[in-house]
Amino acid sequence: QSALTQPASVSGSPGQSITISCTGTSSDVGGYNYVSWYQQHPGKAPKLMIYDVSNRPSGVSNRFSGSKSGNTASLTISGLQAEDEADYYCSSYTSSSTSSFGTGTKVTVL
Amino acid sequence: QVQLVQSGAEVKKPGASVKVSCKASGYTFTSYGISWVRQAPGQGLEWMGWISAYNGNTNYAQKLQGRVTMTTDTSTSTAYMELRSLRSDDTAVYYCARGITTDFDYWGQGTLVTVSS
Repeated sequence: QSALTQPASVSGSPGQSITISCTGTSSDVGGYNYVSWYQQHPGKAPKLMIYDVSNRPSGVSNRFSGSKSGNTASLTISGLQAEDEADYYCSSYTSSSTSSFGTGTKVTVL
Repeated sequence: QVQLVQSGAEVKKPGASVKVSCKASGYTFTSYGISWVRQAPGQGLEWMGWISAYNGNTNYAQKLQGRVTMTTDTSTSTAYMELRSLRSDDTAVYYCARGITTDFDYWGQGTLVTVSS
């Protein structure tokens, strides 16, 4: 189970929009609409931000949105805020009934 | 409210075993599976496997096959993860999370397992 590929870091100024990509294969991201995104602040457990490609759990800001095209999923954060500074991980279901996480992206708010 | 409360930090010697518990509350335990995820210091998240709390079915990450066992005790709504033949690169924070595909909606607080001689 290879990790999904994410950019190591993405940055933006307050109020801007940023997009984080998550690239897999047809055996994971491209094969299923089971892609999730997690936010993790230092020393804390991950928090589910998006599930099933584009759905937001109750309580998650609508500034967070997800999409998918082919083997690449994306998380967009609009109206970037200081509290959005964190690590973000994608996750996908795979053809072997397992899950795979992305390599992680550090978001910096300038 | 849904809560997953994990057991405390452990220090183990190489070759030993560790068993981490995850006690669930606030929902019907057998209606959801439990997944285990670990994170080595300064590293990313690694999926370890899942167990169905309904029927005990499991699915483990290939790299951990033969060393990991996940179980549940439905009488106490507790899930367990045992890892054997510990190595230094097993040093990590171990998390339990509710769910078995990718939508892990509730997480435990994490358990630090340190493997050191």
